Amino acid sequence: NAGVTQTPKFQVLKTGQSMTLQCAQDMNHEYMSWYRQDPGMGLRLIHYSVGAGITDQGEVPNGYNVSRSTTEDFPLRLLSAAPSQTSVYFCASQELGFEQFFGPGTRLTVL
Amino acid sequence: GDSVTQMEGPVTLSEEAFLTINCTYTATGYPSLFWYVQYPGEGLQLLLKATKADDKGSNKGFEATYRKETTSFHLEKGSVQVSDSAVYFCASTFGSSNTGKLIFGQGTTLQVKP
Repeated sequence: NAGVTQTPKFQVLKTGQSMTLQCAQDMNHEYMSWYRQDPGMGLRLIHYSVGAGITDQGEVPNGYNVSRSTTEDFPLRLLSAAPSQTSVYFCASQELGFEQFFGPGTRLTVL
Repeated sequence: GDSVTQMEGPVTLSEEAFLTINCTYTATGYPSLFWYVQYPGEGLQLLLKATKADDKGSNKGFEATYRKETTSFHLEKGSVQVSDSAVYFCASTFGSSNTGKLIFGQGTTLQVKP
């Protein structure tokens, strides 16, 4: 099992550009989440999904979109990047009632 | 609202010293509690967990006990090693529902010197 994979590992964008952060898991987990990690603030939940076709907002959803067309994939879209979105992004998946498994992260810089 | 608070870091210890990292939570219901560890340049890995009051989670010499009366889940290790240097995160589910959402503390950086 590859577990949770994320691409790209690093990305630099200019303000106003759009991009998609990819996340995939091969553990057949129903639940998937996106977090951002900023210094001194821990991880904050952006969006999460409880199954294919079902998504909901977390603590900091503004500026981000998600969709879940398959169990395996949960991409995160930035429609118009802003410097405030400079962060490290982590995707996670889990089975109901168990711990979350995290991907290696994507480090995003918005200039 | 629900929240998790950890002690501020960084924490610097000598090898073989005793480690305590404090964590307290506020939540409705009966949350599950976790400690995750992040080594430099990597994602988060589960270190240990507890799902009900008085449960003790343990792994790799680390321990934490779910104390509902003090709403705490402090991480301890009797003798730290240089390889334990990392960032440690305490996390809680939102209440009793463990369905893809976690609340994290701000993280505590541990540096262990030889």
